[in-house]
Amino acid sequence: GENVEQHPSTLSVQEGDSAVIKCTYSDSASNYFPWYKQELGKRPQLIIDIRSNVGEKKDQRIAVTLNKTAKHFSLHITETQPEDSAVYFCAALTGYSSASKIIFGSGTRLSIRP
Amino acid sequence: EAQVTQNPRYLITVTGKKLTVTCSQNMNHEYMSWYRQDPGLGLRQIYYSMNVEVTDKGDVPEGYKVSRKEKRNFPLILESPSPNQTSLYFCASRPVSTDTQYFGPGTRLTVL
Repeated sequence: GENVEQHPSTLSVQEGDSAVIKCTYSDSASNYFPWYKQELGKRPQLIIDIRSNVGEKKDQRIAVTLNKTAKHFSLHITETQPEDSAVYFCAALTGYSSASKIIFGSGTRLSIRP
Repeated sequence: EAQVTQNPRYLITVTGKKLTVTCSQNMNHEYMSWYRQDPGLGLRQIYYSMNVEVTDKGDVPEGYKVSRKEKRNFPLILESPSPNQTSLYFCASRPVSTDTQYFGPGTRLTVL
């Protein structure tokens, strides 16, 4: 079946440095790729998403890139801050119309060192 | 306020005792789904519903039931809970016109 692989599972970076999380997906028909941030004890929150008709999207310190040919997409966080510490999930929308579903990666625990 | 709510937020129960976790959304969304979250496995879909009286299995449906009698509610039923169903459960909803999902606050279930 369809799957999404996410790496690394844990990531520790110095405050102010950049963090990169990578995902690959199996369904070549996938056309929507959201990223969620989950703080400890909280629900996942959408932080950025990208559709297959664009290669890159940026929102302040967060950017996502998509390579459809290689079927991989990445989350880039620049100038990391302590509040960026959380678990991040990538996901891909697979299937068609109302029968489509979101497949999640296994998550990356990002820690920002002061 | 537009939101997805779940109840209870925390539940400790024993093997075999039937339980229901409720999920409700006030955004008139057609699509609702249930996920379980386990360490290292991310979020895995249990069941989903595309509209009233339309439900289908996700990736890990064994041991669970759902119903969708009303558009706003999508309860998750564990007829005979077992310890391997100890997990964090999230309900989510979205309109079929968009792909953005909204998650409930989560229910932490422990089955002894």
